[in-house]
Amino acid sequence: EAGVTQFPSHSVIEKGQTVTLRCDPISGHDNLYWYRRVMGKEIKFLLHFVKESKQDESGMPNNRFLAERTGGTYSTLKVQPAELEDSGVYFCASRKAGGDTGELFFGEGSRLTVL
Amino acid sequence: GDSVTQMEGPVTLSEEACLTINCTYTATGYPSLFWYVQYPGEGLQLLLKATKADDKGSNKGFEATYRKETTSFHLEKGSVQVSDSAVYFCALSERAGTALIFGKGTTLSVSS
Repeated sequence: EAGVTQFPSHSVIEKGQTVTLRCDPISGHDNLYWYRRVMGKEIKFLLHFVKESKQDESGMPNNRFLAERTGGTYSTLKVQPAELEDSGVYFCASRKAGGDTGELFFGEGSRLTVL
Repeated sequence: GDSVTQMEGPVTLSEEACLTINCTYTATGYPSLFWYVQYPGEGLQLLLKATKADDKGSNKGFEATYRKETTSFHLEKGSVQVSDSAVYFCALSERAGTALIFGKGTTLSVSS
């Protein structure tokens, strides 16, 4: 069974540009999460999808971030326009419906560097 | 709000040494507690968990006990191996379905 995959693994962009990160969850996992780790800090929750619906987006930092999950399969996280403080590693995780709520399956992360 | 505090790293040990990584938490209720591990080049994976006070989670020789009186969930291993080198994250979940709250992570490096 394929795990959670994220693309790209590393993106380097200039301030003001746009970047789109993609996450493919484990097949059949209705729950999809986005987290972010800024260098040396905690992994912070961004948002949670259940299928295509946003269950909780309380962690989204501002309206420069847009997450979508059309069709309830893969998800994208767009940052537009990117700022220096957006640099970090963006993790995606998934969990099946009714699964142990604490066990999330994570991807390797997408490292974003904004110059 | 809820939070998790881990000891700062990096932690550098020789093979077969004892390991303790401290983790304390702040929560309004009775959270579930977790340790996740990230090996080089991989995503985070659940190492162990405990869902109520005095529960002990264990896996791969690692153990952690949910201590409500000290609000702690320290990770321990009696004899570490080079393959244990990784970043370890302590986390909590206030209730079912809510987001995980992570600590900053502790890097462990084990040399032979």
